[in-house]
Amino acid sequence: AQTVTQSQPEMSVQEAETVTLSCTYDTSESDYYLFWYKQPPSRQMILVIRQEAYKQQNATENRFSVNFQKAAKSFSLKISDSQLGDAAMYFCASYSGNTGKLIFGQGTTLQVKP
Amino acid sequence: DGGITQSPKYLFRKEGQNVTLSCEQNLNHDAMYWYRQDPGQGLRLIYYSQIVNDFQKGDIAEGYSVSREKKESFPLTVTSAQKNPTAFYLCASSPLAMTGLNTEAFFGQGTRLTVV
Repeated sequence: AQTVTQSQPEMSVQEAETVTLSCTYDTSESDYYLFWYKQPPSRQMILVIRQEAYKQQNATENRFSVNFQKAAKSFSLKISDSQLGDAAMYFCASYSGNTGKLIFGQGTTLQVKP
Repeated sequence: DGGITQSPKYLFRKEGQNVTLSCEQNLNHDAMYWYRQDPGQGLRLIYYSQIVNDFQKGDIAEGYSVSREKKESFPLTVTSAQKNPTAFYLCASSPLAMTGLNTEAFFGQGTRLTVV
């Protein structure tokens, strides 16, 4: 079965500090992709970062990076130098290259304190 | 501009009525998806389609139906059999394979359905 679990309903971070959001997933397939999406109060979904499972190197996008631990099926998101605009709900997602199924976790609401 | 459009933004229906949510994309994407978002439960997959005239049930398909008669369109019908239809519904589309550089799923702005 393909599952995604986010165990932190809410997180908070001080502006300019670093925060890590956790995500674990389960899949029996070898062809899959992982994503982090951001949903601000407007509810528009925005891609933050993506990771191909066959790549060992962790993806980075400016202040955003992931820690992809394939054996542990863990895919955490690190936000460095947090900004007020980072406040949003963050969703971890898994895409199966075999079935075309794209599923999401429960989400983590991130609060950024000035 | 290319994008994915959901309409309407807000929808009100009486209990017992079927209602259809619209989703149209002009991104030339093969795959389309429907999700339901409830507080504390994240995005749950209702149906998805990889090709015209074919679709698969997601994790919570009961009480919903879809059609994929055109590549650009993937309407979702919330039937009277859906026990708790009030929710925020999101539609998305993506290329068939996520192998391309920067490939991702794009989302519409959502439809808030309220059943009274």
